[in-house]
Amino acid sequence: KQEVTQIPAALSVPEGENLVLNCSFTDSAIYNLQWFRQDPGKGLTSLLLIQSSQREQTSGRLNASLDKSSGRSTLYIAASQPGDSATYLCAPLGGGSYIPTFGRGTSLIVHP
Amino acid sequence: DADVTQTPRNRITKTGKRIMLECSQTKGHDRMYWYRQDPGLGLRLIYYSFDVKDINKGEISDGYSVSRQAQAKFSLSLESAIPNQTALYFCATSDTGGIGGNTFGSGTRLTVV
Repeated sequence: KQEVTQIPAALSVPEGENLVLNCSFTDSAIYNLQWFRQDPGKGLTSLLLIQSSQREQTSGRLNASLDKSSGRSTLYIAASQPGDSATYLCAPLGGGSYIPTFGRGTSLIVHP
Repeated sequence: DADVTQTPRNRITKTGKRIMLECSQTKGHDRMYWYRQDPGLGLRLIYYSFDVKDINKGEISDGYSVSRQAQAKFSLSLESAIPNQTALYFCATSDTGGIGGNTFGSGTRLTVV
């Protein structure tokens, strides 16, 4: 059974800092990994989908990397802004009968 | 229109009532999922379906049932609602194997009083 751990569980930083959010998973037999953002009481919005062959994906100030062999993914947020405040979740993805498994997320607060 | 639509968005119901949450999608995905989210517990899988004729229990299926009426529709029922089923419920879809990632609905906030 896939288990996903996200560290840190919570993070509070001043505006402008560069951030690193970590995701680790126990079953490395995955194809891709997806990062989501969730605002309080809202649905999950997909941020990035990293193909295992790509190992890295970028969107604006966000950069996500994937190292299947070590069971890790990292989400970098550059020059953080108060609007980045949300919970960030990762979900390793696979084929066949694989069921998506989610970490509990990192709750981020960026204060002005 | 959203790719994955959940109705209702909010619902308050009384203990013992039967309630149905509905999900429809325009992604053309085969796989559909129901999750519940509680503070501090993350997303937990209730039921999932890989196609119209396939229904599988997730980790917390007791007290729930589902129906896959068509490829695009997957409904979740609470046969006799109880207060600890108060939560945020999400429907999600993915393509075969999940290669293209998961798409979530906006959620249904259910309160059982």
